[in-house]
Amino acid sequence: NAGVMQNPRHLVRRRGQEARLRCSPMKGHSHVYWYRQLPEEGLKFMVYLQKENIIDESGMPKERFSAEFPKEGPSILRIQQVVRGDSAAYFCASSPGQPDQETQYFGPGTRLLVL
Amino acid sequence: RKEVEQDPGPFNVPEGATVAFNCTYSNSASQSFFWYRQDCRKEPKLLMSVYSSGNEDGRFTAQLNRASQYISLLIRDSKLSDSATYLCVVNRVTGANNLFFGTGTRLTVIP
Repeated sequence: NAGVMQNPRHLVRRRGQEARLRCSPMKGHSHVYWYRQLPEEGLKFMVYLQKENIIDESGMPKERFSAEFPKEGPSILRIQQVVRGDSAAYFCASSPGQPDQETQYFGPGTRLLVL
Repeated sequence: RKEVEQDPGPFNVPEGATVAFNCTYSNSASQSFFWYRQDCRKEPKLLMSVYSSGNEDGRFTAQLNRASQYISLLIRDSKLSDSATYLCVVNRVTGANNLFFGTGTRLTVIP
């Protein structure tokens, strides 16, 4: 049973470019969460999605960031016009939903470096 | 005030030692509590959930004190492989699933 998969594992972008981070949840999981971890800091919640729906985006920056989880395919976290401060590790987690809704399983992360 | 606060450490302990980590959370409405482990440049992995009655898994014991809004993790007979950062994690509302992470406590077990 494959775990949560994220790609790419490492991504380098220049300021102003777009970054697309992909997350495929564990098989059978319909809930996806994105977290960001800045250097030497804890993980910060960004957004919670179910298939085709954004459930909670209270942790998403208001501009340049968007997320989707289409009916088919992986969840995508998109960062437009990246800036140096976007450099971080972005982790995706998934959970199966009821009844074991709370346990989240994390992917290996995508490390974004903005030059 | 941060949602979850932990002593960042580092804790450097010899093999076989017992070590305890503490964590406090600010929101009294918090419902679920966890300890995750994160190795350097890896993803967090669930170590154990924390229940009001306290729970034990082998060498690891977790305790919750709701009145004091305090969570602890005790590791007995430390192994070299226990070296990692231990993250205290709180889910504010059952089912809402927004996890709040502490910045972690770094443990190094020395031979």
